[in-house]
Amino acid sequence: DIQMTQSPSTLSASVGDRVTITCRASQSIKSWLAWSQQKPGKAPKLLISKASTLESGVPSRFSGSGSGTEFTLTISSLQPDDFATYYCQQYNSYPYIFGQGTKLESK
Amino acid sequence: EVQLLESGGGLVQPGGSLRLSCEASGFIFRDYAMTWVRQAPGKGLEWVSAISGSGTETFYADSVKGRFTISRDSFKNTLYLQMNSLRAEDTALYYCAKGSYHNSYEAVYWGQGTLVTVSS
Repeated sequence: DIQMTQSPSTLSASVGDRVTITCRASQSIKSWLAWSQQKPGKAPKLLISKASTLESGVPSRFSGSGSGTEFTLTISSLQPDDFATYYCQQYNSYPYIFGQGTKLESK
Repeated sequence: EVQLLESGGGLVQPGGSLRLSCEASGFIFRDYAMTWVRQAPGKGLEWVSAISGSGTETFYADSVKGRFTISRDSFKNTLYLQMNSLRAEDTALYYCAKGSYHNSYEAVYWGQGTLVTVSS
């Protein structure tokens, strides 16, 4: 089965920083990767689909890139509302699993 | 507006059964794949099961295969998860999520979840 590895598991950053989260697949998933954001006590929210397509209403400081087995989520200038946990999900083939998550915390 | 409302969670003893429901509105239900995802307390997201828009294709995580059954009723616009032989490790908040196409299984829209607690 495919494995998804996210790194880092925790990231400490400050408002205004540029941050990058990486997601690696154990085999090619083409561009079938989604990024979601989850805040404490809330359901996750989809930010990016198909590796780089920003969902409607998501701020342009979020961007996604990559294809095949390596993907990144970048926040160009971190805002206070961005401190949350981020998950990647592959949907190329069964099982449609998530990465372990990256908790973005304030430095 | 897409809305997903989960129900059916609760406290159950190990070995027991529960059926979760997810009532959908705001979109043509039969046109979209649906997924169940769970989150144990303090843990990450775990993909559990998915079903195509037509209901002809179903998928399960190894951890629930043979114990859980996903199904959908397009007349009632409702997704189900029948959970049998429940274990303590099935304790989690269970979310349903809508896909982006009839056979595309990314979690696009999420419900608010229903809590399942397996304990004696």
